[in-house]
Amino acid sequence: EPEVTQTPSHQVTQMGQEVILRCVPISNHLYFYWYRQILGQKVEFLVSFYNNEISEKSEIFDDQFSVERPDGSNFTLKIRSTKLEDSAMYFCASSVIPEANYGYTFGSGTRLTVV
Amino acid sequence: LAKTTQPISMDSYEGQEVNITCSHNNIATNDYITWYQQFPSQGPRFIIQGYKTKVTNEVASLFIPADRKSSTLSLPRVSLSDTAVYYCLVGDGSGNTPLVFGKGTRLSVIA
Repeated sequence: EPEVTQTPSHQVTQMGQEVILRCVPISNHLYFYWYRQILGQKVEFLVSFYNNEISEKSEIFDDQFSVERPDGSNFTLKIRSTKLEDSAMYFCASSVIPEANYGYTFGSGTRLTVV
Repeated sequence: LAKTTQPISMDSYEGQEVNITCSHNNIATNDYITWYQQFPSQGPRFIIQGYKTKVTNEVASLFIPADRKSSTLSLPRVSLSDTAVYYCLVGDGSGNTPLVFGKGTRLSVIA
């Protein structure tokens, strides 16, 4: 079964540092997403990406965040200057042209710890 | 986006059928109902999706009444490995209207 792959599985970074979280979506999928989940809380939408541009973003996705699809296979989330409150699981997801019965495929996540 | 309401938690014994009901009173005509499962420290996993009546796959069944204001996820003969959080989401399936997760239902299966 095709998978969404995320690396690294766990990243520890100092406050103020930049981090890049990487994702390889399923190859024939066209829509890409980043979500995050702070420990014990619900899964929160960050951003959706289609046709090489952001199609929707939440209030959380402020200027410190950016996304990129640099080479047609990777999809990255950059956090420019990390804060303690950025500590969370970050999930990448992808979907084929939205149609019934397909849903999103999520990766296993990157646990980001900001110290 | 249609808001969903589901129980915060449920307990069940192994081997029983579990039914989790979700209400979505303001569901729109072009909205689908989708259920996801999440284990600790893992990403949500798509379980089933439907528009109306009944949908069944190898994992679960989804029952949707004619008015579509609620839906019920049915898990037959649960095992300990079904312990997870289950999310009901409503959306039109458009990539430009991303899925929004609620708090979900925490299902605990007991031996």
